[in-house]
Amino acid sequence: EVQLVESGGGLVQPGGSLRLSCAASGFTFRSFDMTWVRQAPGKGLEWVSYISSSGIIIHYTDSVKGRFTISRDNAKNSLYLQMNSLRAEDTAVYYCAREMFDENTWYRAEYFQFWGQGAPVTVSP
Amino acid sequence: EVVLTQSPATLSLSPGERATLSCRASQNVDSYLAWYQQRPGQSPRLLIYDASNRAPGIPARFSGSGSGTDFTLTISSLEPEDFAVYYCQQRSDWPPFTFGPGTKVDIK
Repeated sequence: EVQLVESGGGLVQPGGSLRLSCAASGFTFRSFDMTWVRQAPGKGLEWVSYISSSGIIIHYTDSVKGRFTISRDNAKNSLYLQMNSLRAEDTAVYYCAREMFDENTWYRAEYFQFWGQGAPVTVSP
Repeated sequence: EVVLTQSPATLSLSPGERATLSCRASQNVDSYLAWYQQRPGQSPRLLIYDASNRAPGIPARFSGSGSGTDFTLTISSLEPEDFAVYYCQQRSDWPPFTFGPGTKVDIK
């Protein structure tokens, strides 16, 4: 069974830092691209960052460029999001998600098939 | 950036009724569009990928159609667990991946 478990969320002051972790199990982590998606309170879904299976290709949404860093440790089956210079507008539940892979057809695509339970991040004085 | 708009914002229906949700893209995304369901307090769940393919384990009452800029998610007969928020997402032109604002399906 695929499982993604986020940790590291919490309350932080504006300008502060936080590091989110996502522990993966039930699949070959090193073979899959991973993504962070966030959801502000009462709002919709917003893609935050992407990392390829090897860790070589990385992308960010514009609002977090230069402040957030995505990384992964394939030996530890873990995904990370280092968040610096946090702002009030970064307040959200942060989900890690795995790219889609259909075992019946061996089709792989950049949709988000498995999600963690979410890590709440609150940026407030 | 591809902007996705969804309509209606809220759809009020009764169990057993048919739900039709719309997603429109600001530019051609071919068939590279997915639909997700998010129940209250839960993480999103992938329902449909590439516009019309059900994700593994998704019931047959969920179907998707469309290509280019106009897409539809249809729930043929609403079950109690289908009352939720539905989002569309495109992967045609990324980064960034973009989501629509969501359609809430609530009980009439």
